[in-house]
Amino acid sequence: EAQVTQNPRYLITVTGKKLTVTCSQNMNHEYMSWYRQDPGLGLRQIYYSMNVEVTDKGDVPEGYKVSRKEKRNFPLILESPSPNQTSLYFCASSQLLPGSEAFFGQGTRLTVV
Amino acid sequence: QKEVEQNSGPLSVPEGAIASLNCTYSDRGSQSFFWYRQYSGKSPELIMSIYSNGDKEDGRFTAQLNKASQYVSLLIRDSQPSDSATYLCAGWRGGYNKLIFGAGTRLAVHP
Repeated sequence: EAQVTQNPRYLITVTGKKLTVTCSQNMNHEYMSWYRQDPGLGLRQIYYSMNVEVTDKGDVPEGYKVSRKEKRNFPLILESPSPNQTSLYFCASSQLLPGSEAFFGQGTRLTVV
Repeated sequence: QKEVEQNSGPLSVPEGAIASLNCTYSDRGSQSFFWYRQYSGKSPELIMSIYSNGDKEDGRFTAQLNKASQYVSLLIRDSQPSDSATYLCAGWRGGYNKLIFGAGTRLAVHP
């Protein structure tokens, strides 16, 4: 089954404690991206990657890091989480073609206290 | 000005009616447009995609694109309570390799 898998689904952490949210896709997609979703603001892109070892900033990259060492995996790293990073996060993947459908993971609800 | 704008709603329609959802975009370089449906707390799922001016129909859904007016719409015929969700409009900016989302319109279909 074609899917994008994120883990964990829910996470409560404390300010400053490093965390990683994993994302894996089994569709051999070149393009992967991370979004955060906040009420009234919609989905905002954090980082994206067009292929292995190729990553770039999205609209709201501050406080986040990513890596793309393998085509299937695209983890999101918060080195020192802060309460303003409390949000619903989605990983997505697609082929690198203009009309390609983006497939989304199940989402990770992160709370930073 | 947001790159992709939608009325946040809620848009309330009776069961069986036509729901009309609208979206405008500011970047004329946007090439492709998508409508995603998102139930509360769930991930977005693709409903329709449209690349050319005009209408595209798929079952109860019709997407309309007018590039001159920078306008995209989604019509849902015979609306059902199960259509109650937030509908996200998105445009692909090829030059920037980005999918830009609107904030979404909440649709409520009441029996």
